[in-house]
Amino acid sequence: NAGVTQTPKFQVLKTGQSMTLQCAQDMNHNSMYWYRQDPGMGLRLIYYSASEGTTDKGEVPNGYNVSRLNKREFSLRLESAAPSQTSVYFCASTASKSQPQHFGDGTRLSIL
Amino acid sequence: RKEVEQDPGPFNVPEGATVAFNCTYSNSASQSFFWYRQDCRKEPKLLMSVYSSGNEDGRFTAQLNRASQYISLLIRDSKLSDSATYLCVVTGYSGGGADGLTFGKGTHLIIQP
Repeated sequence: NAGVTQTPKFQVLKTGQSMTLQCAQDMNHNSMYWYRQDPGMGLRLIYYSASEGTTDKGEVPNGYNVSRLNKREFSLRLESAAPSQTSVYFCASTASKSQPQHFGDGTRLSIL
Repeated sequence: RKEVEQDPGPFNVPEGATVAFNCTYSNSASQSFFWYRQDCRKEPKLLMSVYSSGNEDGRFTAQLNRASQYISLLIRDSKLSDSATYLCVVTGYSGGGADGLTFGKGTHLIIQP
């Protein structure tokens, strides 16, 4: 029972580098989400995808792009990483807005 | 007023005690409510959904008060392993981004031996 799988689990980047965080779910969920969580802070929504083929901005989208590749996969891209993007990134999915979200175990990203 | 508010704590509670905390929400059209638990540096995990009539799961009881727009979580006979941050989640109204999905910032609970 994999649930939501995120890769990589840890990453260190230099300022200006780009990378893509991968997320895949095997629960046939329609909606997928990307969050960031900074130390001592709550979850902040970056982008979400209500269904395959659609994506929308969340609370803090600047500096990020997303792709809903298919129903299973939702990737998050940092085009030019900045130290302010050092954070823990969580991907989540849900069958519908009335159902709870299931989270991946996170990607810990440090940008030097 | 923030959309979802929680007392950040920390709540320091002796083992075996009962502890309760609330979460208030601002949008009366919200439809679905959940409590999550998050351990340090780990992902949030669903603790329980909150139903209109209130619901219980072992030592945990969740209640919804639509008139006053808050949900509550009661933990009885607290264990050391209950130490965590508890997040409330509100969702389900149309017109808000991501269907009005909003996480509270969490209440930090420390159970002391």
